[in-house]
Amino acid sequence: DGGITQSPKYLFRKEGQNVTLSCEQNLNHDAMYWYRQDPGQGLRLIYYSQIVNDFQKGDIAEGYSVSREKKESFPLTVTSAQKNPTAFYLCASSVPGTGDYEQYFGPGTRLTVT
Amino acid sequence: AQSVTQPDIHITVSEGASLELRCNYSYGATPYLFWYVQSPGQGLQLLLKYFSGDTLVQGIKGFEAEFKRSQSSFNLRKPSVHWSDAAEYFCAVGAIQGAQKLVFGQGTRLTINP
Repeated sequence: DGGITQSPKYLFRKEGQNVTLSCEQNLNHDAMYWYRQDPGQGLRLIYYSQIVNDFQKGDIAEGYSVSREKKESFPLTVTSAQKNPTAFYLCASSVPGTGDYEQYFGPGTRLTVT
Repeated sequence: AQSVTQPDIHITVSEGASLELRCNYSYGATPYLFWYVQSPGQGLQLLLKYFSGDTLVQGIKGFEAEFKRSQSSFNLRKPSVHWSDAAEYFCAVGAIQGAQKLVFGQGTRLTINP
């Protein structure tokens, strides 16, 4: 089955530690996205990548970093500079350039930092 | 810039009753519009999408939405809700600024009374 895998589902870290969230897709999609979701705020775009070895900041990139070394993978690192990292993180992918904006979502990772 | 407004943060309906969730967008050209559904702690699933053509769009799980350009709206409807429809619903518009990004509304949480 094609889809997007995010691991782990729950992640706990101490304040001051960097943490990396995994996102893997086998849909052969070129574009991938990271969103942050907080209660009552919808989804906010952190970073996106339209092609391997290229990525752009979204609306709330401060305190986050990404890499895109392989088409299938788009890991997100939450750094210690992120002031309020506790949130639900969603990864998505799409096929760019086709005029179809539909994005396919993974199951999400809930990060708790204490 | 594109924006999406979902005026209702929380809606409660009785099982078997009809449902309408409101979505208003701001975009200059013909928009790409989406409705997604999210069960608690899960990723987002596409319900339906509108690109062009017939303004009444049919989706999965018995949902439909109507695009009204004059009102800048894309409201989601279902004639008879089931307890399993309880979830959070997100409206989104495609942002055509060099990348296939989606701009999401804040979401509407739907509760079903038995």
